[in-house]
Amino acid sequence: KAGVTQTPRYLIKTRGQQVTLSCSPISGHRSVSWYQQTPGQGLQFLFEYFSETQRNKGNFPGRFSGRQFSNSRSEMNVSTLELGDSALYLCASSLYGQGATEAFFGQGTRLTVV
Amino acid sequence: KQEVTQIPAALSVPEGENLVLNCSFTDSAIYNLQWFRQDPGKGLTSLLLIQSSQREQTSGRLNASLDKSSGRSTLYIAASQPGDSATYLCAVKGAQKLVFGQGTRLTINP
Repeated sequence: KAGVTQTPRYLIKTRGQQVTLSCSPISGHRSVSWYQQTPGQGLQFLFEYFSETQRNKGNFPGRFSGRQFSNSRSEMNVSTLELGDSALYLCASSLYGQGATEAFFGQGTRLTVV
Repeated sequence: KQEVTQIPAALSVPEGENLVLNCSFTDSAIYNLQWFRQDPGKGLTSLLLIQSSQREQTSGRLNASLDKSSGRSTLYIAASQPGDSATYLCAVKGAQKLVFGQGTRLTINP
């Protein structure tokens, strides 16, 4: 079956703009989590969506938001981009999210803010 | 707050060697631990998942162990190959999220 699909793979945006990233989870998976990966901070948890509801949130400013649709696809939005938002954004798909379920990651979206 | 540490940060070995990567975590209240592989600029590929009630898991040349009481896990790679060169990340699953270590960058020299 198809894996986790993230689009687009690469983005270049200007400071102050906003951006939307998309993640399609594995078929049947209802939980989508987003992570930011930077060389300095490593992988950090942004938020998790389950059945169209944000269930958990990491320690990021309100400029970072997301949503999940009825087909479990998720989008992440970053408004008023800053240079420090340049990172690899990864989404993870799992059956239920919480508990002992395995996470499967997409290829990521590389965002560069100039 | 859960903290995950991976040692060493980088490792370079000749092809054919067996090697061990280490992962430690501070809070033993975990659901599971996953080992991932990441190639440069790419996403994460899940290698092994160990549930909190398990002691080890094996997949091909890879073997991962978990000692929850001491907060440690190891990833053993047998007969290393140049294609094993990548960054290896361990992550522990808490109630809400995965917490990752900083990774071990592995280079296998032909």
